[in-house]
Amino acid sequence: IAGITQAPTSQILAAGRRMTLRCTQDMRHNAMYWYRQDLGLGLRLIHYSNTAGTTGKGEVPDGYSVSRANTDDFPLTLASAVPSQTSVYFCASSDAGLAGADTQYFGPGTRLTVL
Amino acid sequence: GQNIDQPTEMTATEGAIVQINCTYQTSGFNGLFWYQQHAGEAPTFLSYNVLDGLEEKGRFSSFLSRSKGYSYLLLKELQMKDSASYLCAVMDSNYQLIWGAGTKLIIKP
Repeated sequence: IAGITQAPTSQILAAGRRMTLRCTQDMRHNAMYWYRQDLGLGLRLIHYSNTAGTTGKGEVPDGYSVSRANTDDFPLTLASAVPSQTSVYFCASSDAGLAGADTQYFGPGTRLTVL
Repeated sequence: GQNIDQPTEMTATEGAIVQINCTYQTSGFNGLFWYQQHAGEAPTFLSYNVLDGLEEKGRFSSFLSRSKGYSYLLLKELQMKDSASYLCAVMDSNYQLIWGAGTKLIIKP
């Protein structure tokens, strides 16, 4: 069982380019999340999805979009990358669904550098 | 606003005990999580507290006081592999996790 996979592992991107970070889970979890992690700051939620077909905005959604066409996949798209989006991006999933506290499990992360 | 505070860095000796504190102010409370994160890796789940008191799991224990907005993670019999960052996170009234910046724990031989 792979758990959660993310691709690419790392990427260097020119400012203004479009980029999609991929996330796939095989645990059949209802909920999925995208976070960014920056030095000295806690993980910050970008977008989330409580169940397939629904998405919601987190704390820092500007410049990012997501889709949840099925249970397993939750891609994150940067429409036009800017240097402030340089960060480590983590995808996570949980079995919480619409209302419930449950453990979030994290993918290995994507290290993105925007020049 | 919502806020999670934990020390930036702590140093301890192999074989000793260390306590990492976390204080929080959030809109609502649906539990407190501790995660471990080794450098360059993903956070991994350690513990979850929703009721006051101590939860023990092997060498790791986690304590919660809801009235004080306070938790700690206790690590016993420290090993070199325990060198990592420890992240405190609170689930708020919307079931969103609010994360502290993490405590980097350095273990010395």
